[in-house]
Amino acid sequence: SQTIHQWPATLVQPVGSPLSLECTVEGTSNPNLYWYRQAAGRGLQLLFYSVGIGQISSEVPQNLSASRPQDRQFILSSKKLLLSDSGFYLCAWSVLNSSYNEQFFGPGTRLTVL
Amino acid sequence: QKEVEQDPGPLSVPEGAIVSLNCTYSNSAFQYFMWYRQYSRKGPELLMYTYSSGNKEDGRFTAQVDKSSKYISLFIRDSQPSDSATYLCAMRSYSSASKIIFGSGTRLSIRP
Repeated sequence: SQTIHQWPATLVQPVGSPLSLECTVEGTSNPNLYWYRQAAGRGLQLLFYSVGIGQISSEVPQNLSASRPQDRQFILSSKKLLLSDSGFYLCAWSVLNSSYNEQFFGPGTRLTVL
Repeated sequence: QKEVEQDPGPLSVPEGAIVSLNCTYSNSAFQYFMWYRQYSRKGPELLMYTYSSGNKEDGRFTAQVDKSSKYISLFIRDSQPSDSATYLCAMRSYSSASKIIFGSGTRLSIRP
């Protein structure tokens, strides 16, 4: 069965510090991978998605970036965090070319920028 | 206007009641519809998915799509305290495989 991991689970960072969140998927090959941010009381905002190694699409211009160095690894980064970067970050995967493209989510990372 | 509108709640009902959760949308190209359940401080989990119009039943859950009204619903029968969570609707068009649009979620509380 497939499993998706995210770490860390919780992170408190000062404004201006760098960020690196990691997501890995087990039990599937060549998945589509996604990074979302969920602000309190709001829906999921798609930040990046990737259909393959080194292929990243950005949905929202901001001070975040994403990389996919391996087939089942997706990394979200920032060089300098802003207060507005606080939120719940979710990684998700889906099967390439499935009918519904239903997405399966990881446990999330709660980021607080102070 | 948001592409997907969902009443944030909170919605509080007694145990055993039938719950109705709803979303409206504006994009007539949406054809794939999903419902996710999210417990507090956890990632969303896929509950059900349907294609185009009609009903789909899975245990105590029924998903309903009315494309003519651009309206989707999730019904929960015999609601349990363990159903207390935030429910998010989600949808996408046929051509936009990678981009799912999520509602903001309805917070549901089932009172024992």
